[in-house]
Amino acid sequence: EVQLVESGGGLVQPGGSLRLSCVGSGFTFSGYWMNWVRQAPGKGLEWVANIKQDGSEKYYVDSVRGRFSISRDNAENSLHLQMDSLRVEDTAVYYCAGGSGWVIDRWGQGTLVTVSS
Amino acid sequence: DIVMTQSPDSLAVSLGERATVNCKSSQSLLSRSNNKNYLAWFQQKPRQPPKLLIYWASTRESGVPDRFSGSGSGTDFTLTISGLQAEDVAVYYCQQYYSAPITFGGGTKVEIK
Repeated sequence: EVQLVESGGGLVQPGGSLRLSCVGSGFTFSGYWMNWVRQAPGKGLEWVANIKQDGSEKYYVDSVRGRFSISRDNAENSLHLQMDSLRVEDTAVYYCAGGSGWVIDRWGQGTLVTVSS
Repeated sequence: DIVMTQSPDSLAVSLGERATVNCKSSQSLLSRSNNKNYLAWFQQKPRQPPKLLIYWASTRESGVPDRFSGSGSGTDFTLTISGLQAEDVAVYYCQQYYSAPITFGGGTKVEIK
């Protein structure tokens, strides 16, 4: 069974940092592009970043570039999102998601990040 | 960035009837190199992650019922649910993966009339 399990969410103050992690199982993790997609409470989906199978290419949405950093460890089947300089508007459920190419066909259940003072 | 615009924001359809969701991109999603449209459709039910329904604009994901179909090319796309079932109540999103940043439409909420 394909599984993606996120962790690391929580409450953080504006300007703070948080590191999200995601562990994949049931598929060849190293063969997939991996993504972070977020959803603010009651809002739509927003793609945040993705990373190529070998980590050689990374892309970000403008609103997080320079503050967030995506990385992966294929030996551990893990994906990470280092989030610095967090803002109130970064509050959302963060989904780990993957696919062959950029078609996203597998999703985790999400982890909630709340940025508030 | 490619802007994805969905319409309507919501629609109510009787059980067994057809539901149509529209999606328009601000630039063409058709690649001349492979003649494919880089457009996907997702279904999201409350408190669940999104689920891939359609990719390459019209290719149904494995296990997706054939009442779901996608059509369109270039900048105009449609998701059709032929014979709405109660379990189809959800929010539907289109998404382009032609270029970074990947972008989603705003979503269309489908309900039972």
